[in-house]
Amino acid sequence: SQQGEEDPQALSIQEGENATMNCSYKTSINNLQWYRQNSGRGLVHLILIRSNEREKHSGRLRVTLDTSKKSSSLLITASRAADTASYFCATDTGGFKTIFGAGTRLFVKA
Amino acid sequence: EADIYQTPRYLVIGTGKKITLECSQTMGHDKMYWYQQDPGMELHLIHYSYGVNSTEKGDLSSESTVSRIRTEHFPLTLESARPSHTSQYLCASSVGVSSGNTIYFGEGSWLTVV
Repeated sequence: SQQGEEDPQALSIQEGENATMNCSYKTSINNLQWYRQNSGRGLVHLILIRSNEREKHSGRLRVTLDTSKKSSSLLITASRAADTASYFCATDTGGFKTIFGAGTRLFVKA
Repeated sequence: EADIYQTPRYLVIGTGKKITLECSQTMGHDKMYWYQQDPGMELHLIHYSYGVNSTEKGDLSSESTVSRIRTEHFPLTLESARPSHTSQYLCASSVGVSSGNTIYFGEGSWLTVV
């Protein structure tokens, strides 16, 4: 199974609400990243959190990392319709390959 | 915005045809990748490269081949396309460990084999 697994698979919220997505992984990591993918497009890097960090902010994004539980969460505050996309976590174990999860599909209703 | 370009964006071809998906990046990145992604599904790494004249197979077995003759160019070729090759193919590149291996993606090439 994949190193990173997102939960939930899909999330539907109203504009203005907060959206929280979770990612669990299996092995030790150097860092964890979150990416966004609009329908039919490539992925865009959102934020990176290193294994020695616990929380990181970027605009309306807040990422937490709990290495003891091997999990991370992505919080999008005050969501907008334009936030509708798929969100992927990706783990870097120090090897060459960055491993992507299956993604959470977020729908923000106007 | 990442400077990584894929062509064609959309391609419909017949079974048995040979196709090449082009990928170029202008960022001088040594590492390049090809991922395969079915709609709404996870990404699967099918090929990667450490640099010029380096190519490796990824986690997902693929009948495609790649080459890396120049740093900026990483084309993917299918010698004989089949309907099972229908998918989105994403090319990507990265600097390396110093930047946390942040990966920059192209817009993708949608391949349909009929």
